[in-house]
Amino acid sequence: SAVISQKPSRDICQRGTSLTIQCQVDSQVTMMFWYRQQPGQSLTLIATANQGSEATYESGFVIDKFPISRPNLTFSTLTVSNMSPEDSSIYLCSVDKKGYNTEAFFGQGTRLTVV
Amino acid sequence: KQEVTQIPAALSVPEGENLVLNCSFTDSAIYNLQWFRQDPGKGLTSLLLIQSSQREQTSGRLNASLDKSSGRSTLYIAASQPGDSATYLCAVRPGRDDKIIFGKGTRLHILP
Repeated sequence: SAVISQKPSRDICQRGTSLTIQCQVDSQVTMMFWYRQQPGQSLTLIATANQGSEATYESGFVIDKFPISRPNLTFSTLTVSNMSPEDSSIYLCSVDKKGYNTEAFFGQGTRLTVV
Repeated sequence: KQEVTQIPAALSVPEGENLVLNCSFTDSAIYNLQWFRQDPGKGLTSLLLIQSSQREQTSGRLNASLDKSSGRSTLYIAASQPGDSATYLCAVRPGRDDKIIFGKGTRLHILP
């Protein structure tokens, strides 16, 4: 299994500001994933973060808005830049543990409200 | 393109009842399937994972089944309790190195 610590758990931010979300895993993983979950919706993948290379963004998400860092194999950050109320969502960090199975594990989520 | 559907979107049942949540997927060629639980405003907790070669997995009061040929999985919850109230998400992984694909979830409310 994998234990993922995500911080902050929630925040209320002013529009136009930026928030950086941290994700720490208890073991080394190749890829880390960042998701957004808008109110009442399912999860949407924002990007995949690989250590030592730039993140790979899904359609509709850009690096200027959601810059990602991946300095080592156990840590990643996602920044939500120049926030607007439409960015109010839960942001989730995830990893895949590969072994006999490939199993996904998630952090506790960051509940962001932009006012 | 793989699509995952969960029906119903919401469900309310009295405490103590056994219940079944449904998940269907359009492409039977999957690597595995996971069921997650999400409490309001929180992250996802992995409940059960079923490999493509398996028919079912059990954990406590939870039992998940998989019928690949028909593109269906069910999550059976026995003797439901108010603490089971949450959103339950089904996710399919097409291949070992592929990203998982989520359904929209079933919001479950257990009435005391």
